[in-house]
Formats: sequence, structure tokens, C-alpha cells
Amino acid sequence: KNQVEQSPQSLIILEGKNCTLQCNYTVSPFSNLRWYKQDTGRGPVSLTIMTFSENTKSNGRYTATLDADTKQSSLHITASQLSDSASYICVVRGGRNDYKLSFGAGTTVTVRA
Amino acid sequence: DTEVTQTPKHLVMGMTNKKSLKCEQHMGHRAMYWYKQKAKKPPELMFVYSYEKLSINESVPSRFSPECPNSSLLNLHLHALQPEDSALYLCASSPGLAEGGDTQYFGPGTRLTVL
Repeated sequence: KNQVEQSPQSLIILEGKNCTLQCNYTVSPFSNLRWYKQDTGRGPVSLTIMTFSENTKSNGRYTATLDADTKQSSLHITASQLSDSASYICVVRGGRNDYKLSFGAGTTVTVRA
Repeated sequence: DTEVTQTPKHLVMGMTNKKSLKCEQHMGHRAMYWYKQKAKKPPELMFVYSYEKLSINESVPSRFSPECPNSSLLNLHLHALQPEDSALYLCASSPGLAEGGDTQYFGPGTRLTVL
């Protein structure tokens, strides 16, 4: 079964600090990996997408890394802001049915002033 | 326009009611999806439509009935729901299943509460 595991489950950081979220996956074959940000009660919004050949990709204060050999990805948030408080979901495309995405359970980030 | 819209934002219904959720996109996408998301859980795929035809039904109970009137609209008809069906219902669209089912754009969701 294709799986996506995220850690930590939740974290609290002070405004202005940095944090890193982890994603490990067993999806095979692998097509791409996305990080989504989901505010409470809202739909997920894509932050970054990475394919097999990409190691790092940035979107403003968000930087994602991918190690396709170890099947690990991380999302680094720099100089956190209160608006960064949300759930961050790692989503992997692959497997037999390309339409079906494998979702991680998400990491809930709370930024405090 | 890169937006998927969903109405209503919130819905409260009794177990004997019949209601419908609506989803719309004008990006020319030919694949549309319904997901169910419980609190603090990842979205679970329910249905996939491709070119206005139901392609995938992930063993969803018949009290959920999807409908795709045209390429821009996707409905989810609800009847005789149970309290455990309370969740955030997300609609998504993508260019097509073959062209990149991964490039899914999500709507804001409908928060459903079944009393």
C-alpha cells in the first residue's frame, strides 16, 4: 500500500522563527510530490511541486527539498508569520492509478506572537 | 480564472433531508473530483469524473449521488445521511486524468453537519 508519513504531527513556533516539516513516502513508482497548505475549514492550496529530478524548490518563504533516493521530502518555513498557521499536507502522485493522490495526514503549524 | 468554487460554504441538514452540494470551475478542466475530509485527517477520494462521465466510485454509499451536468459543473446529491457523514467536502478539478491528475485545484469546501 502506498503511504505518506508526515512528522511532526503538530508544532508551535514563535513568530519570526524557522521550522522544518518532514515527509517520508513509499509510493512507487513516483511521479511528483506536492506540499499543500490548508487553512482550517478551507481547501488545500498548492505551495510547491517537485518531480524526480528536482532537489529543491522555493515559493517565497517556503522551501521544499526532495531526496528521491531515500524517498524523503521536507518543507522549510523561514521567518514564520501568524498567517502561516495552518495544516501542511504532503501529497505524492504515483502508483498504478495516476489520478489517485496519496495524502499525508498533515502537520499542524501554530505560529504565536 | 484558476478558481474552483463551491456552494454552499456551510450546510446543516437532518437525516431525512435531501440537499445538494455544487462545484464549478471555468479552467477547461475535464476531470473533476469529490473528496471527503474529516477533522485532522487527509482528504479521502469519493468520486472522479472524466469528460462528464463517472470514472471512479471509491465504494461510496448510495446516499451520496454525484452528477456532472456539464464540463464545468459537478454536483453531489445527499439523501438520508448519517451524523458520521459530517465533514468538509472538497471538490477539485484537473486538466484530465491522463494529462496530469496530480495538478488538482481544490475548492474551498463545504462544511456539512448532519444532525
